[in-house]
Amino acid sequence: EVQLVESGGGLVQPGRSLRLSCAASGFKFDDSAVYWVRQAPGKGLEWVSGISWNSLNIAYAGSVKGRFTISRDNAKNSLYLQMNGLTTEDTALYYCAKGYNWNDHIDSWGQGTLVTVSS
Amino acid sequence: EIVLTQSPGTLSLSPGEGATLSCRASQTVSTSYLAWYQQKPGQAPRLLIYATSSRATGIPDRFSGSASGTDFTLTISRLEPEDFAVYYCQQYGTSPFTFGPGTKVHVK
Repeated sequence: EVQLVESGGGLVQPGRSLRLSCAASGFKFDDSAVYWVRQAPGKGLEWVSGISWNSLNIAYAGSVKGRFTISRDNAKNSLYLQMNGLTTEDTALYYCAKGYNWNDHIDSWGQGTLVTVSS
Repeated sequence: EIVLTQSPGTLSLSPGEGATLSCRASQTVSTSYLAWYQQKPGQAPRLLIYATSSRATGIPDRFSGSASGTDFTLTISRLEPEDFAVYYCQQYGTSPFTFGPGTKVHVK
């Protein structure tokens, strides 16, 4: 069974940093593209960032480019999102998700970790 | 960045009725790279349709997808009580892989 378990969320002040993690199991992590998708309270889905299996393809939404960094450790079956310069607009539930190839639909989702940016 | 526009924003329908949801792209999106997801309150999204018209595993055949140019359509032939939810389209052909704003299907 595919499992994606996010962690690292919490309450953080504007301007500070936070690092999210996603632990993957039940599939070949090192063969899969993985993504971060967020959802602000009461709002729709926003694709945040993605990384291919070999880290050669990396992309960011314009709203986070230059502030967020995605990375993965295939040896640890883990995905990360380093978030710097957080603003209140970054408050959201952050989902870890997976596809097969880089240009692929999302076939599995985690349950999300909540990030709240507030003073 | 490709912008996806979904219409209508909200659909009020009764069980047994059909639903037609639209997703329009600001640029060309190959039919190979358009998906639809369903999300219910408090739950993560669930894949319904990928590559415009391929149903994901376990998705009933009352859900179907199609395309015409830059317009994509999700059709639910007869709404079951469990189909009342929010539906999102997503393009994954050109990064960033954007989502539409969603269509909420609720009980009339």
